[in-house]
Amino acid sequence: QSVLTQPPSVSAAPGQKVTISCSGSSSNIGNNPVSWYQQVPGTAPKLLIYDNNKRPSGIPDRFSGSKSGTSATLDITGLQTGDEADYYCGTWDGSLSALFGGGTKLAVL
Amino acid sequence: QVQLLESGPGLVKPSGTLSLTCVVSGASISNSDWWSWVRQAPGKGLEWVGEIWHSGNTNYNPSLKSRVTISVDKSKNQFSLKLTSVTAADTAVYYCARGEHYITSLGREHIWFDPWGQGTLVTVSS
Repeated sequence: QSVLTQPPSVSAAPGQKVTISCSGSSSNIGNNPVSWYQQVPGTAPKLLIYDNNKRPSGIPDRFSGSKSGTSATLDITGLQTGDEADYYCGTWDGSLSALFGGGTKLAVL
Repeated sequence: QVQLLESGPGLVKPSGTLSLTCVVSGASISNSDWWSWVRQAPGKGLEWVGEIWHSGNTNYNPSLKSRVTISVDKSKNQFSLKLTSVTAADTAVYYCARGEHYITSLGREHIWFDPWGQGTLVTVSS
């Protein structure tokens, strides 16, 4: 079981908005920024968000991140079928290790 | 455009040593970046293994620290992973990635990974 807790799955219709949560503690999310990754099955993870809310070049503004206290969220608006993937949050922990959440499978119905 | 490519044996015997190499192209490994290994067991989530700076400084996942060594070869622009005493639990896709990792004056530790290699499956089995 991951130290960072994510819902196993979320779903929404095309064009709608979905929110994926990532819950941690004061030793990780509470003190350090969060990143988010998209992993299409069978492929490598891809960075979507870093430093809580910054997007690398090439990532559309449909993807946005935020953090409050010991939790972070990834919002995806204008859902497309191509957004179907697993999404992971990540951060640094006081145990001197990088951590990832358990992952959330997004279904675009 | 930075690209990373993992290579190594796809099958390792139990109690043996897993050895992988990641070749970096499009960037010098001596840049101000950390270079990481992340693994993913079949059907499971991501697990950080560790990272190395070009100077040789390393950080390892505490749960794997006693068995992990990450090294860098600047002349070949590559870095490597060795994991000893492997068991079936070490069966996973192993990814290498470029990392950004720094601490601010406020004590915030920033870390993220971009880009990632395509990954290589290592199976531990006799």
